[in-house]
Amino acid sequence: QKEVEQDPGPLSVPEGAIVSLNCTYSNSAFQYFMWYRQYSRKGPELLMYTYSSGNKEDGRFTAQVDKSSKYISLFIRDSQPSDSATYLCAMNPPGAGSYQLTFGKGTKLSVIP
Amino acid sequence: NAGVMQNPRHLVRRRGQEARLRCSPMKGHSHVYWYRQLPEEGLKFMVYLQKENIIDESGMPKERFSAEFPKEGPSILRIQQVVRGDSAAYFCASSPQRTETMNTEAFFGQGTRLTVV
Repeated sequence: QKEVEQDPGPLSVPEGAIVSLNCTYSNSAFQYFMWYRQYSRKGPELLMYTYSSGNKEDGRFTAQVDKSSKYISLFIRDSQPSDSATYLCAMNPPGAGSYQLTFGKGTKLSVIP
Repeated sequence: NAGVMQNPRHLVRRRGQEARLRCSPMKGHSHVYWYRQLPEEGLKFMVYLQKENIIDESGMPKERFSAEFPKEGPSILRIQQVVRGDSAAYFCASSPQRTETMNTEAFFGQGTRLTVV
């Protein structure tokens, strides 16, 4: 079993739709959970991060962490064509080795005008 | 303030040649991390360096790969005698210090896409 599982998609939605992206993980030591956006041929760009369980909202984006289920989600409201990108989940434990991010494979999202 | 600069953006090498990938961290950043993204795979940690020190190279393949971050100049990821399986995107990230997390203080470069023919 991989440490982080993420459906690669592709996921295609109409403009204005609510998008739900998800990852599951197996390592209970993970405490920090991040979502990165990666445009084609570009580097990953940090979108949001959360610590432990709970929700975090930033504009149209909401990140959720359910540690009991080892499941994290990113919701995008009122999706825009500019949201078309690959979304990577990443996580790491606290303390020593925390710089070693463990990434999912990424979900490719297309928002159709 | 320029971001993390990687060059070249694209690199083509024949099997058996050497590849040298460069990473200039953001101004004020003294910690560099290299990650590799194989086709259809997630980014995988390779190595963590500070100026003149390799802190953790646990993600580096045991042979042909090496990394350095000299006192002056960019960090270099060197791959000797490249093989087709080395074809990937190589990303570096930099941070001002080793915080408990990389979450908010590390930034990625745009990557070098290595193609081995």
